[in-house]
Amino acid sequence: EDQVTQSPEALRLQEGESSSLNCSYTVSGLRGLFWYRQDPGKGPEFLFTLYSAGEEKEKERLKATLTKKESFLHITAPKPEDSATYLCAVQAYDMRFGAGTRLTVKP
Amino acid sequence: NAGVTQTPKFQVLKTGQSMTLQCAQDMNHEYMSWYRQDPGMGLRLIHYSVGAGITDQGEVPNGYNVSRSTTEDFPLRLLSAAPSQTSVYFCASSDREIYEQYFGPGTRLTVT
Repeated sequence: EDQVTQSPEALRLQEGESSSLNCSYTVSGLRGLFWYRQDPGKGPEFLFTLYSAGEEKEKERLKATLTKKESFLHITAPKPEDSATYLCAVQAYDMRFGAGTRLTVKP
Repeated sequence: NAGVTQTPKFQVLKTGQSMTLQCAQDMNHEYMSWYRQDPGMGLRLIHYSVGAGITDQGEVPNGYNVSRSTTEDFPLRLLSAAPSQTSVYFCASSDREIYEQYFGPGTRLTVT
């Protein structure tokens, strides 16, 4: 069965303390991997799409990478406004989301 | 552009009642989807549509019906509400398959 697992469940960082979020997946025939950001009480907001192993995408302090088994979302020098839940999703036969990583960045 | 809109924002139902969650988008997107989000489980796909008149089931379709008569609208019907359907429901649309989705603000549904 297709499965998407995100770790850690929660992460607390000091402002400026870089770290990485992990998304591991077991799906048959990956067609695309997505990262979304979700603020409390709101719908997810698109960040990145990755289509093949080795691909990387960057946006401000965020960088997403993809291998054949997992994806990482690297956060460099985070700020308090980066606090949110980060969701990973994979598109194979259908779309499957992970449970998310809740990131808190303290000033 | 309003993007993806959902109504109502909040709803309380009694077990056995039926209702329709409304979703509309003004971006002329062909692809639309319904998800439910429960604590600790992430978003789960209920139904999706690849264009007007075409719908298909996702991971958790039981107890829900959809139809797509226009490109803009994709309503989700709960046939006979159950407490297990207490959740936050999100509608999303996309310009094409395997592409970024735009999500609505969600409907928080409680079934007592």
